[in-house]
Amino acid sequence: KAGVTQTPRYLIKTRGQQVTLSCSPISGHRSVSWYQQTPGQGLQFLFEYFSETQRNKGNFPGRFSGRQFSNSRSEMNVSTLELGDSALYLCASTDLAGELFFGEGSRLTVL
Amino acid sequence: SQQGEEDPQALSIQEGENATMNCSYKTSINNLQWYRQNSGRGLVHLILIRSNEREKHSGRLRVTLDTSKKSSSLLITASRAADTASYFCATAKGGADGLTFGKGTHLIIQP
Repeated sequence: KAGVTQTPRYLIKTRGQQVTLSCSPISGHRSVSWYQQTPGQGLQFLFEYFSETQRNKGNFPGRFSGRQFSNSRSEMNVSTLELGDSALYLCASTDLAGELFFGEGSRLTVL
Repeated sequence: SQQGEEDPQALSIQEGENATMNCSYKTSINNLQWYRQNSGRGLVHLILIRSNEREKHSGRLRVTLDTSKKSSSLLITASRAADTASYFCATAKGGADGLTFGKGTHLIIQP
């Protein structure tokens, strides 16, 4: 069974630009969640999607958004990038037992 | 904000020794999970313990949960160099809430 796939793995953007990150969950998993990891703040919950609906959102500004498609693939978007958005963005899909399976992450650098 | 707080922040031991990491949290939980992360990679789920469980084993891992003290511990027995990684505890309140992670314990196993 293929794991969680995140693309791109690395990207560099400049302030003010926007970025879209993609996540393909494990086949059969309908829940996808996103986390931001930075050295200063650690791992922080961004949002969670289930059957194309956002079920919960963490404490992030509106510049951070996401969506989920009918095939459970998810994207997150960050608009008007700031230097502080530089981070490892991790996507996870969840099985019925509540166990999260994480992808390798997308490392975003904002210059 | 971080719910879980791991202790110690860093731990260096000799190969073959046991490693113990602790996690404290603040609010009531549905379950607590431990994850491992190798440098800059995705998180790997190690073990999930539910709020009505007190101890759980998986291979060389032993996790305890004390809900009265709002604390958990992860014991890795007979450590190996490959166990070098950061270890995170994460709490789940249940429902659609995302996991709340601690800042992690960086474990170094010296050969």
